[in-house]
Amino acid sequence: QKEVEQDPGPLSVPEGAIVSLNCTYSNSAFQYFMWYRQYSRKGPELLMYTYSSGNKEDGRFTAQVDKSSKYISLFIRDSQPSDSATYLCAMTGSSNTGKLIFGQGTTLQVKP
Amino acid sequence: DTAVSQTPKYLVTQMGNDKSIKCEQNLGHDTMYWYKQDSKKFLKIMFSYNNKELIINETVPNRFSPKSPDKAHLNLHINSLELGDSAVYFCASSQDNHVEAFFGQGTRLTVV
Repeated sequence: QKEVEQDPGPLSVPEGAIVSLNCTYSNSAFQYFMWYRQYSRKGPELLMYTYSSGNKEDGRFTAQVDKSSKYISLFIRDSQPSDSATYLCAMTGSSNTGKLIFGQGTTLQVKP
Repeated sequence: DTAVSQTPKYLVTQMGNDKSIKCEQNLGHDTMYWYKQDSKKFLKIMFSYNNKELIINETVPNRFSPKSPDKAHLNLHINSLELGDSAVYFCASSQDNHVEAFFGQGTRLTVV
């Protein structure tokens, strides 16, 4: 069993829809939770990160962490075709070794 | 200005050959990484260097040898290439907090 599980999709939604992307994890030592976006043939880019539990909002994007359930989510409001990409969750502990554990990534397609 | 740049972008080579991938970052970060992304988009850390010192070495075959001549450069040399080495290799860098990693555009290695 992988430390971080993420449904690979693909997920297809119409433009303007609310998108929910999720990851579960097994390691209770994880403290930092990140979402990366990766366009085709490009490197991942950091969207946002959260420390410990709680919510964080940045424009149309909201990240949620529920440590009690070992479950994290990324919500995208008013989705746009430009949001079509693979979304990777990543996590690391507090020891700051820099070792990020990634989920498999969910491929999202937003149709005009 | 490219923050993390890798060369080459594409690499096609025969089994048994030796090849190198170069990486440079102009962000002034202290830590650099090599990640491997397989055909299912699963991204896994291979190595990390902090100020030219090896910090993480994730059970990678000895055929893979990273070299960091200075903190802005991290190269990856691969000996005796095998078919299973075919993947996209990403270089990344981060500052001391480690969670905000900046990735290069990737090197797509195909071993034939």
